[in-house]
Amino acid sequence: DTEVTQTPKHLVMGMTNKKSLKCEQHMGHRAMYWYKQKAKKPPELMFVYSYEKLSINESVPSRFSPECPNSSLLNLHLHALQPEDSALYLCASSQPWTSVPDTQYFGPGTRLTVL
Amino acid sequence: GDSVTQMEGPVTLSEEAFLTINCTYTATGYPSLFWYVQYPGEGLQLLLKATKADDKGSNKGFEATYRKETTSFHLEKGSVQVSDSAVYFCAQRVQGGSEKLVFGKGTKLTVNP
Repeated sequence: DTEVTQTPKHLVMGMTNKKSLKCEQHMGHRAMYWYKQKAKKPPELMFVYSYEKLSINESVPSRFSPECPNSSLLNLHLHALQPEDSALYLCASSQPWTSVPDTQYFGPGTRLTVL
Repeated sequence: GDSVTQMEGPVTLSEEAFLTINCTYTATGYPSLFWYVQYPGEGLQLLLKATKADDKGSNKGFEATYRKETTSFHLEKGSVQVSDSAVYFCAQRVQGGSEKLVFGKGTKLTVNP
């Protein structure tokens, strides 16, 4: 099974709201990722967790707050977002980098609209 | 730095036509190479991969060969179908590098009946 699930599928929020995106995988992967994808662009890496510890933060604004409560779950907490944050948010997982880069498996994404 | 360059398209073909999407890379180390496909309104799906020179990845009639001498990983399919209409992303991850996946800009393919 190579499935990564994400909830919700769609989310509409105001600029003062607090919401969370959720991601789950049961492939035994120990690296999990958040990407942001704008229309007609490739995904942009936001965060990487490796063994439940934050290993990469691509200078993402603090209104995005990731959390990895265990090896299967990854959350992205959203607060005081701006309309330009509207995008497709993708979660991915893989084994952590070793001698041979492993495949990243992506979820279906959450389509976020900020009003 | 590490990068991926792919033909941006859009590419429009008739059903049963031959498809080639070019992809070249620059890498400081020894990359693994990937093709991902994104259907409208969906996330990315791994289409195929190759981890070392001369490896050929294949899946669903698509093929790509890791060519170290030309630093290329071109995607090919002999006979496309309407259902192949999607955006295709070439990507690399470099051994000895970080866990980052470096993407090309994507190529939108439309197949007409």
